[in-house]
Amino acid sequence: EAQVTQNPRYLITVTGKKLTVTCSQNMNHEYMSWYRQDPGLGLRQIYYSMNVEVTDKGDVPEGYKVSRKEKRNFPLILESPSPNQTSLYFCASSLGKSPLHFGNGTRLTVT
Amino acid sequence: DAKTTQPPSMDCAEGRAANLPCNHSTISGNEYVYWYRQIHSQGPQYIIHGLKNNETNEMASLIITEDRKSSTLILPHATLRDTAVYYCIVRVGDSNYQLIWGAGTKLIIKP
Repeated sequence: EAQVTQNPRYLITVTGKKLTVTCSQNMNHEYMSWYRQDPGLGLRQIYYSMNVEVTDKGDVPEGYKVSRKEKRNFPLILESPSPNQTSLYFCASSLGKSPLHFGNGTRLTVT
Repeated sequence: DAKTTQPPSMDCAEGRAANLPCNHSTISGNEYVYWYRQIHSQGPQYIIHGLKNNETNEMASLIITEDRKSSTLILPHATLRDTAVYYCIVRVGDSNYQLIWGAGTKLIIKP
């Protein structure tokens, strides 16, 4: 089944403890991106990747890192999480002009 | 990039057609109109898109005005499972990285 898989689905952590949210897609998509969603707001793009080893900042990249060492994986790294990064995170991928496919989300709480 | 304006919420009776409006008065000639929906806090799901002509698929119909300044998403026979937040987005050419997500329309289908 074609899908975008994020892990974990829920994560509670403390300020400053490094964490990684994984994202994997099995559709051979070149494009992948990370979004965060906060209450009452639309999705805001954190980082995106047009292909392997090609990444770029979105609208809200501060406090986040990403890597794209292979086509299927696009992990989101929070080196030193802070409470203002408490949010719902989505990974998405697409092929060429096609619409985005989204993962089921990761709800992160930073205390 | 063109931005969109949608009503924050709408109600519709089950079995009736749900018509969701979207204004995109600053849309450019190469910008597509996309519709996604988000059920609860799941990942957004693609519904339909169009450039100039009206479009129909198994989920919905998209009506775009001749001047392209507004569009309407039509769910022909709404069911309770169509309760979701619906996002109208304009996309520049082939670039998924330039999507601007607003707050969308919360559609509630009532029995």
